[in-house]
Amino acid sequence: KAGVTQTPRYLIKTRGQQVTLSCSPISGHRSVSWYQQTPGQGLQFLFEYFSETQRNKGNFPGRFSGRQFSNSRSEMNVSTLELGDSALYLCASSSSTYEQYFGPGTRLTVT
Amino acid sequence: AQSVTQLDSQVPVFEEAPVELRCNYSSSVSVYLFWYVQYPNQGLQLLLKYLSGSTLVESINGFEAEFNKSQTSFHLRKPSVHISDTAEYFCAVSDSGNTPLVFGKGTRLSVIA
Repeated sequence: KAGVTQTPRYLIKTRGQQVTLSCSPISGHRSVSWYQQTPGQGLQFLFEYFSETQRNKGNFPGRFSGRQFSNSRSEMNVSTLELGDSALYLCASSSSTYEQYFGPGTRLTVT
Repeated sequence: AQSVTQLDSQVPVFEEAPVELRCNYSSSVSVYLFWYVQYPNQGLQLLLKYLSGSTLVESINGFEAEFNKSQTSFHLRKPSVHISDTAEYFCAVSDSGNTPLVFGKGTRLSVIA
């Protein structure tokens, strides 16, 4: 089976812009979770989607949003980018709650 | 809310020496515990997991971790490390049910030749 894929792998944006990141889960996995990884805060949970519905949400401002499509692919969007949004954004898919498989991440740099 | 503490941010160790990476979590009735490894410029890979049953769990590359409920710990050990084990290791916990993973801050393991 192919692993979790994330596109793009690297992205440079300017403050105030918006960005959309994409995640394709492992075939058959219906749950997709998103995490933000920064040196200061570590890995922080953003949200989880299951069968096109947001099932859990982390403590992030409303500028961070996501969605899941009927084929389980997911996108996350960050509007009005801030310098502090520079991070590695990781997507993970799972077929059950207990075991998540991570993609390689999208490295977002905000200048 | 669940929390995870990884007591060491960096652990240097000589090749072929043993290593222990420590992880403690806040108490809960029932938890699922995980260790993930992250190599440079890559995502996280599941190393091993405890869901139930035997408190000692092992990975295919020689790591093991022991679930200790009374001490709320899930320390990761390897009796003899290799250069290729150099990476960042994350402990994570999930309460039983559909709750997100909570990660520790990570421990950077550096194996010295």
